[in-house]
Amino acid sequence: SQQGEEDPQALSIQEGENATMNCSYKTSINNLQWYRQNSGRGLVHLILIRSNEREKHSGRLRVTLDTSKKSSSLLITASRAADTASYFCATDAGANNLFFGTGTRLTVIP
Amino acid sequence: GAGVSQSPSNKVTEKGKDVELRCDPISGHTALYWYRQRLGQGLEFLIYFQGNSAPDKSGLPSDRFSAERTGESVSTLTIQRTQQEDSAVYLCASSYASDTQYFGPGTRLTVL
Repeated sequence: SQQGEEDPQALSIQEGENATMNCSYKTSINNLQWYRQNSGRGLVHLILIRSNEREKHSGRLRVTLDTSKKSSSLLITASRAADTASYFCATDAGANNLFFGTGTRLTVIP
Repeated sequence: GAGVSQSPSNKVTEKGKDVELRCDPISGHTALYWYRQRLGQGLEFLIYFQGNSAPDKSGLPSDRFSAERTGESVSTLTIQRTQQEDSAVYLCASSYASDTQYFGPGTRLTVL
C-alpha cells in the first residue's frame, strides 16, 4: 500500500505543550501534505512540503521531511484546546490522487 | 463560493435505492476528486476529473458507482442499488492543476 502511516494513533497532551506526529510512507513522492479533520467535518489542508524541501513552517506548525527515510513529522507548538482533531498525512506520488493514512487523534486538555 | 461545498450533508437511504451526491468545487479549479472515508479509516480515492473528463476512474469500487462533471464545475457521484458497505463519508476535493487539494465538508451516507 502507498498509504502513509501516522504514529502515534492517539496523543493526549496538556494545553501549552508541543505535539509531534510522525508519518511514514513507502513510495517516492512529489510532495507530502498534512490535513486536520475536526470531528464531523471535512478535511482542512494545513501544509504541503515538496520532495526537495526538508523543513517548512506555518504559524505554530513545523513540518519536516526525510525522503531517505520516507518519513515526515508534524510539530504543533504551544498547543491549544482548539487544536484537538485528527491529523492525517497524505502523499502525492504524481498520479493525481492522494494516499492518506489512518490519522493521529490529538486531544489537547485545557 | 469561498470553498468546496457538498450536498446533502447527510443522507440516509434504504438498501437497494440509488443516491446522488453533489460537489461544487472552488471556482476556477480544474481538477476535482472524490474520496470515500469509512469509519476509522483513511481516505480511499474514487475518481479524478480534469475538466469534464475522468482520466482516472481506478478507484471506483464497482460498476454501481459512477460520476460525472459538467461545465468544468459541479460534479455528481451516483451510487446505484446501495449496499450497507457503501455507508461512509464521501468527500470531494478540488485543486488548480494537481497541487494542493481543498476538501469539502463531506456527505455522510448511511445505508440501512
